[in-house]
Amino acid sequence: GQQLNQSPQSMFIQEGEDVSMNCTSSSIFNTWLWYKQEPGEGPVLLIALYKAGELTSNGRLTAQFGITRKDSFLNISASIPSDVGIYFCAGQFLPSGTYKYIFGTGTRLKVLA
Amino acid sequence: ETGVTQTPRHLVMGMTNKKSLKCEQHLGHNAMYWYKQSAKKPLELMFVYSLEERVENNSVPSRFSPECPNSSHLFLHLHTLQPEDSALYLCASSQDLPRLAAYNEQFFGPGTRLTVL
Repeated sequence: GQQLNQSPQSMFIQEGEDVSMNCTSSSIFNTWLWYKQEPGEGPVLLIALYKAGELTSNGRLTAQFGITRKDSFLNISASIPSDVGIYFCAGQFLPSGTYKYIFGTGTRLKVLA
Repeated sequence: ETGVTQTPRHLVMGMTNKKSLKCEQHLGHNAMYWYKQSAKKPLELMFVYSLEERVENNSVPSRFSPECPNSSHLFLHLHTLQPEDSALYLCASSQDLPRLAAYNEQFFGPGTRLTVL
């Protein structure tokens, strides 16, 4: 079945550094989503992408929908301590066009002040 | 209360117990979801309800039984669970079901941390 390979699994960075994480798949997706989950909370949507090549920003976050429709990346610029959490990608896949989403295994981010 | 709430937040149960997880959304949404989040595994969609009708059951064992009495409430009834069922169970809601090129943002609750002994 469809799988999302998310990398890296974890990152330890210094405050102020930029962060990059990505998701790849062998299947085509028509929607990519990026979520953040903090301890004791459910995931919160950060960015949604709908078209191949689309580049979307949300504050210090930037995400892109890969041209091949099989990958997406998320960048965080100038990281701050509150960026700590687990970041998940998720994709809605063709051809079903239904409400099923495949989630990545997450990237655990820790920011050192 | 605002958003999506879940109770209890933590639950420990034996394999022979029967318990229920409750989810309530205060957003006026029409669709609700149950997910399972296990350590080091992707979120797994379990059930989807739209306007109180179950529209998706992702091959979930029958020891998990969902119930949606109205569009604001969703339950997950548990019986004769196994230790491997220990996980964080997340509820989510969205205005409507996602469709092709039209994602309806899902709002997640904080989850119920379930431990099966």
